[in-house]
Amino acid sequence: DAEITQSPRHKITETGRQVTLACHQTWNHNNMFWYRQDLGHGLRLIHYSYGVHDTNKGEVSDGYSVSRSNTEDLPLTLESAASSQTSVYFCASSVTYEETQYFGPGTRLLVL
Amino acid sequence: AQKITQTQPGMFVQEKEAVTLDCTYDTSDPSYGLFWYKQPSSGEMIFLIYQGSYDQQNATEGRYSLNFQKARKSANLVISASQLGDSAMYFCAMREGRGSTLGRLYFGRGTQLTVWP
Repeated sequence: DAEITQSPRHKITETGRQVTLACHQTWNHNNMFWYRQDLGHGLRLIHYSYGVHDTNKGEVSDGYSVSRSNTEDLPLTLESAASSQTSVYFCASSVTYEETQYFGPGTRLLVL
Repeated sequence: AQKITQTQPGMFVQEKEAVTLDCTYDTSDPSYGLFWYKQPSSGEMIFLIYQGSYDQQNATEGRYSLNFQKARKSANLVISASQLGDSAMYFCAMREGRGSTLGRLYFGRGTQLTVWP
């Protein structure tokens, strides 16, 4: 079955380290999204991509970067992890911008 | 201004009863979509139901229905015959269809639903 996966599922890192969270989907969806979930804020958009080599900033993009070299993957990189980036990170994908976004299982990141 | 407002941080309902989770939205875009997602304690985000701004009828998916009142800008989720497994956090989200916000979802802060026997 087609699916969307995230790895790792749990990560502990130290401030200042570079961290990359992987997102892989096998639906051949054009659109991919990264969100973070924090108590009291719901989900907020970090970065998104409409296709290969396309990336766009969301509302909370500072300190994060993405690149899209193929349809299946959109890795999220924290350039220099900060304690404020402790959160749960969700990747999502959709066929077109109008279609439903389906979410990966999430990655819990703790920055010490 | 908040794009999506969920005013009920927590709701309680007895098993087999119906429950309505409130959601209001704010947009000037004539083309938009409204979504509800369920997040159980295990953490995953599960898509429940979708309503398009041009849809004439309220969306339904099994025990879930979306009470869409366009003039009031509300998109309430109705769960009929609640089950213990419905206990979860529920998020309302909106997708706009123009400009730089094309396709991105705006989420509310969620409503924690507890179903008791």
